[in-house]
Order: sequence, then structure tokens, then C-alpha cells
Amino acid sequence: SYVLTQPPSVSVAPGQTARITCGGNKIGSKSVHWYQQRPGQAPVLVVYDDRSRPSGIPERFSGSNSANTATLIISRVAAGDEADYYCQVWDTDSDHPVFGAGTKLTVL
Amino acid sequence: QITLKESGPALVKPTQTLTLTCTFSGFSFSSSGVAVGWIRQPPGKALDWLALIYWDEDKRYSPSLKTRLTITKDTSENQVVLTMTNVDPVDTATYYCALLRGSSWYFWGQGALVTVSS
Repeated sequence: SYVLTQPPSVSVAPGQTARITCGGNKIGSKSVHWYQQRPGQAPVLVVYDDRSRPSGIPERFSGSNSANTATLIISRVAAGDEADYYCQVWDTDSDHPVFGAGTKLTVL
Repeated sequence: QITLKESGPALVKPTQTLTLTCTFSGFSFSSSGVAVGWIRQPPGKALDWLALIYWDEDKRYSPSLKTRLTITKDTSENQVVLTMTNVDPVDTATYYCALLRGSSWYFWGQGALVTVSS
């Protein structure tokens, strides 16, 4: 089964840019999706297909994907961005979705 | 407006069968391409995909749980039902249903916490 690797935690000061990575074998050839999950809440899709944003998601959220690493980029980080972030792809070999283990973003 | 809502028992005894229902609005299985799935999250742990069903009855299951899971849909009632047999305390989790769009989970329900305990 396809494995996605995320750092357990990332810390960033308010107003700075946070980068959360998601590693996988040739992940650049897949579409990567990112979810934000605030404590006690359901996940929310913040970036899909590597870099597209659903309606209502601020432009501060963006993404990139190349080679073996996809990255969620959150610019001008605010306290409200503190959450767990999960990446997800579709494993075409087994034909089912796969989630990363999640990254806890802490705003210092 | 698309909404999904999970319902089911909050407490289940070990070895019993868990049945969860996802009731949705704003879309229909009558439309080609629609798929709804279930994802769970044990307390303090990561998201874990369980199963999904397409508008044409095609189904997918998590390889590690496929012998215990069954997913069905009721197009007229706008519902998707997940059954999990022989539950264990490790199945304690919040269970979410979600709408698949492309290959991303575009809309999620609020989740339902299920505790497995005697």
C-alpha cells in the first residue's frame, strides 16, 4: 500500500509562512489533497489537486507537488490556523484513498 | 447546499455488529460519478479510510478491514449505511462520512463518536 510521510509537528510564529510536507514515492505524479482539522471538529478540505482551493478557503493556503514531496504552504499564519493537517492521495495500484499520519501545526 | 450527517449507537459491546447511517442532502446517487465513503479517527490518532460506494454500486474497502465491513446505499432515502462486524475496543473512534469529488473528500459530516466497551 502507498505510504505518505508527514512530520509530526511544525511550529511557526504568527505572520510567518508555514510549510508542511508530505512525502511519497513519485508523489509528484499524483493529485494531493490537504485537510485542516481543528480540535474537536471534522476535517475540512483546504487544498485539492495539489494547489486548488475550495470555495471559502483563503488564498493564504496554497500547495505544491513535485518529485517525492508535496507541500502545503500557509502564508501569514494566524492563531486560528493552529490545527492538525492531513495529506491524502489516491493509491492507483490498490484503487483506494490513503491518508498521511497528520502534522500538528503550532502557532507560537 | 451539501450536508452529510452520521447517526448510530454511541456505545457498542465487543463482538457486536455496528451499524452507522449517513444521511445526506444537496446531491443524489442518481447522478453519475457520485461516491460517498466512511473515514474513522480513533481518539488522538490519524484519519483512517474504511469504505466507499459509487453511484453505480461499485464498492471499495480498506484491505485491513474488508472482511468486517459492508457498505450499502439507499438512493431513494439519500442514505449510505456501513456495518462493521465483531467490533473490538480498538474500533472506538469518531466515524465520519464524506462526499468524494474527484479523488478528494470534498464535504464531510460532523462525525459520530462510537465507543466499544462492555
